[in-house]
Amino acid sequence: KAGVTQTPRYLIKTRGQQVTLSCSPISGHRSVSWYQQTPGQGLQFLFEYFSETQRNKGNFPGRFSGRQFSNSRSEMNVSTLELGDSALYLCASSTREGLETQYFGPGTRLLVL
Amino acid sequence: DAKTTQPPSMDCAEGRAANLPCNHSTISGNEYVYWYRQIHSQGPQYIIHGLKNNETNEMASLIITEDRKSSTLILPHATLRDTAVYYCIVRVTARQGAQKLVFGQGTRLTINP
Repeated sequence: KAGVTQTPRYLIKTRGQQVTLSCSPISGHRSVSWYQQTPGQGLQFLFEYFSETQRNKGNFPGRFSGRQFSNSRSEMNVSTLELGDSALYLCASSTREGLETQYFGPGTRLLVL
Repeated sequence: DAKTTQPPSMDCAEGRAANLPCNHSTISGNEYVYWYRQIHSQGPQYIIHGLKNNETNEMASLIITEDRKSSTLILPHATLRDTAVYYCIVRVTARQGAQKLVFGQGTRLTINP
């Protein structure tokens, strides 16, 4: 079974631009979570989607948003990029919300100049 | 959210057992302990998880103390490929079963030849 895939793998943007990252979960998985990893803050939870609904949200500004489609694929969007948004963005999927193990994708490395 | 405390770094000789400790003294009764590892800024890899009983799989063993305030991940025969950052995580279940993983800073484990 194929793992979690994320596209693109690398991205360079400039301040003020917006970016959309994509995540395809493992086949049959319906829950998708997003995390941000930076050297200073470590791995931080952004949000979780299940059945196209945001079920949980971390402590990030409104510039960070996401959505999930009917096929469980998810996208996250960051608007008005800041230098501090440079990070590795990780997506994780699980079969359903609740008591299920999350499996991570390889991540998208975003560099904001 | 329950927090975890891990030593920032550890060394282990190749072929020996690596024992990674984790403190989670504020863990709640229904919160699981998860272990992931991350190699070279790849996506975190799931290792093992448990609630209150000791667990073992093909990768590792997880020993949880009776009061659940600490746990130890055991890699029985460490190899050079086990060099990674190991995260001990408490999985928090929020409203409606939504879940998130709360990452600490992890332990950088170095396996020496």
